[in-house]
Amino acid sequence: DAKTTQPPSMDCAEGRAANLPCNHSTISGNEYVYWYRQIHSQGPQYIIHGLKNNETNEMASLIITEDRKSSTLILPHATLRDTAVYYCIVRGYFGNEKLTFGTGTRLTIIP
Amino acid sequence: EPEVTQTPSHQVTQMGQEVILRCVPISNHLYFYWYRQILGQKVEFLVSFYNNEISEKSEIFDDQFSVERPDGSNFTLKIRSTKLEDSAMYFCASSEEGSGWGYTFGSGTRLTVV
Repeated sequence: DAKTTQPPSMDCAEGRAANLPCNHSTISGNEYVYWYRQIHSQGPQYIIHGLKNNETNEMASLIITEDRKSSTLILPHATLRDTAVYYCIVRGYFGNEKLTFGTGTRLTIIP
Repeated sequence: EPEVTQTPSHQVTQMGQEVILRCVPISNHLYFYWYRQILGQKVEFLVSFYNNEISEKSEIFDDQFSVERPDGSNFTLKIRSTKLEDSAMYFCASSEEGSGWGYTFGSGTRLTVV
C-alpha cells in the first residue's frame, strides 16, 4: 500500500499559496518524493520530485524536511485550474518500479 | 509538448467480449505502463513493459489481460473476456528511463462493460 499520508481535502483561495502536506515517515535513503495531480478524470500529471533538497520548477516548489519524514508541495499562486487531486508518492528513482497512488488530497481553489 | 495518445476515449462492450485498448507512447520512451481507475477509487498499477517483455504485473493483471507492442509505435492492452468489474478508466503511460519523474500519462480510455 501507499507509504504516504495526506489530508483528504483542502481549500485555498484563488491567488493565494496552496500548501499541501505529506507524511512519509518510513521513507528509505534511496527513495524520492514525487508529486502528481489528477484534474477531474484525466490522466495523472507529474508536478515535481525531490530527494532531500528543496526543489522548484515552473509549476511548484517542494519542501522536504531535514529528516525526510515529511514534505510540502507549494503552489505559489493558485488558480481555479489547480483544482485537482494531488498525490504524494514515494519510490526509487530508476527502474521500472510502479507508482503507487494513495487517495491523495482533493484541493479546491475558491474564487 | 509530446503526448501519450489513447484510443478510443470511450468504449462500451458486452460482458464476455474481447476488447483492445490502444496507446501510442512518446516516441523516444522505452518504458510503458498500464494503470486503471475504477470510478471513485485509486489509480491502480496493472503492468509495466520494457524491452518487449513484461517487467512487473499486479494481482489484477491475470490471465484475462495481455499487453503487446506490435510495432514500433503502438502499445496495446487486451482483455480477453470482459467482466462487469473491468469497467474503469484505463491509463497508458510511458517514461524515458523508468524514473518516476518522467512518467507521461495519456488521457485515458473509459471502458464500460454492460
